[in-house]
Amino acid sequence: NAGVTQTPKFQVLKTGQSMTLQCAQDMNHEYMSWYRQDPGMGLRLIHYSVGAGITDQGEVPNGYNVSRSTTEDFPLRLLSAAPSQTSVYFCASRRVRNTGELFFGEGSRLTVL
Amino acid sequence: GQQVMQIPQYQHVQEGEDFTTYCNSSTTLSNIQWYKQRPGGHPVFLIQLVKSGEVKKQKRLTFQFGEAKKNSSLHITATQTTDVGTYFCAGQTGGFKTIFGAGTRLFVKA
Repeated sequence: NAGVTQTPKFQVLKTGQSMTLQCAQDMNHEYMSWYRQDPGMGLRLIHYSVGAGITDQGEVPNGYNVSRSTTEDFPLRLLSAAPSQTSVYFCASRRVRNTGELFFGEGSRLTVL
Repeated sequence: GQQVMQIPQYQHVQEGEDFTTYCNSSTTLSNIQWYKQRPGGHPVFLIQLVKSGEVKKQKRLTFQFGEAKKNSSLHITATQTTDVGTYFCAGQTGGFKTIFGAGTRLFVKA
């Protein structure tokens, strides 16, 4: 049972480039979400999904797109990367939509030059 | 919007001393969760509190949820070097979003 898997673990981009951070979970969780972690600012919610075909914005959605075509996958897209998006990104999921333990992936460290 | 404030930002303790981190929300929470993140790692769930005034214990860790369901605390008795890391509270206000506090980073000197 792999849990929540994120790829890549590390990525360096140039300003203006695009990329997708992948997140997959094999626990049949309804809820999936993306957070970014910056020093002194904790974990800030970017986007979340309560099921296939359903997504919504979190605290800091600008510059990021998401989709949820399957229960298992929840990719995060950066269409035109900016240095302000340099961060560590975590994907997290939970079994039910509105409560319970969040299971985190190991994180993806992104640097935008 | 929903905000969760957490203090202190950092805490240095001598091994064996106690440690407390506090969490306050601007709105009433439906539940609050606590997570621990070791340096270089990912957050790991510790506990969830749901009821007003709830107190739960896990060995040396004591978690409290305030009567008004707007504040919470985590207390560690007699810290050990294995307690090193960042402790986060995270709350929900009845919807789906889980909002995290900024975390308290704990340093333990042996």
